Amino acid sequence: DQQVKQNSPSLSVQEGRISILNCDYTNSMFDYFLWYKKYPAEGPTFLISISSIKDKNEDGRFTVFLNKSAKHLSLHIVPSQPGDSAVYFCAASGGGGSNYKLTFGKGTLLTVNP
Amino acid sequence: DAGVIQSPRHEVTEMGQEVTLRCKPISGHNSLFWYRQTMMRGLELLIYFNNNVPIDDSGMPEDRFSAKMPNASFSTLKIQPSEPRDSAVYFCASRRGQGLNYGYTFGSGTRLTVV
Repeated sequence: DQQVKQNSPSLSVQEGRISILNCDYTNSMFDYFLWYKKYPAEGPTFLISISSIKDKNEDGRFTVFLNKSAKHLSLHIVPSQPGDSAVYFCAASGGGGSNYKLTFGKGTLLTVNP
Repeated sequence: DAGVIQSPRHEVTEMGQEVTLRCKPISGHNSLFWYRQTMMRGLELLIYFNNNVPIDDSGMPEDRFSAKMPNASFSTLKIQPSEPRDSAVYFCASRRGQGLNYGYTFGSGTRLTVV
């Protein structure tokens, strides 16, 4: 049972345009959400996070939006750059004393074309 | 800061053999995690240590898997005997304290192939 779902395995975007990566979750106890980026042959690296008390968090070109009622979050990258090409993982945490544990989606491969 | 260091980077072994994966967390980080990545299941938490003590091993697939953390700077994940379905990338990650503001720091992973 996938509690964190990234329904798009891949996304292709033109350089300079906006990339929107989506993530849905089913566990209403999740209260903290993170995005990780992963290049081939490397471990995932932390990108940006958001607490459930917020609906938006911005860091440079990256913005994460959280819609709690829909149990949906999205990562916007504007403008997209070729170096952003990577696999992006959505992760969630919280609830039941397991706030140490991150539950990951399966990832979305983003390709930014020059 | 050298980051989280995992060894080996690649391991190819025959079914039935023992495999040991190693991890050195970032100095000062008191939480350590082992994750496994497969195409079918994505990234799954296998085991979590806090201050060298195993706190949650509910993700360990079966008794063939064991993990130890003898001190704050070293952890091992052992598979004995290994099976082809254990083929995956195994990541170690560490974190300072309880907060998740910056998530974990992952190592580069060990790609295990069991033939």
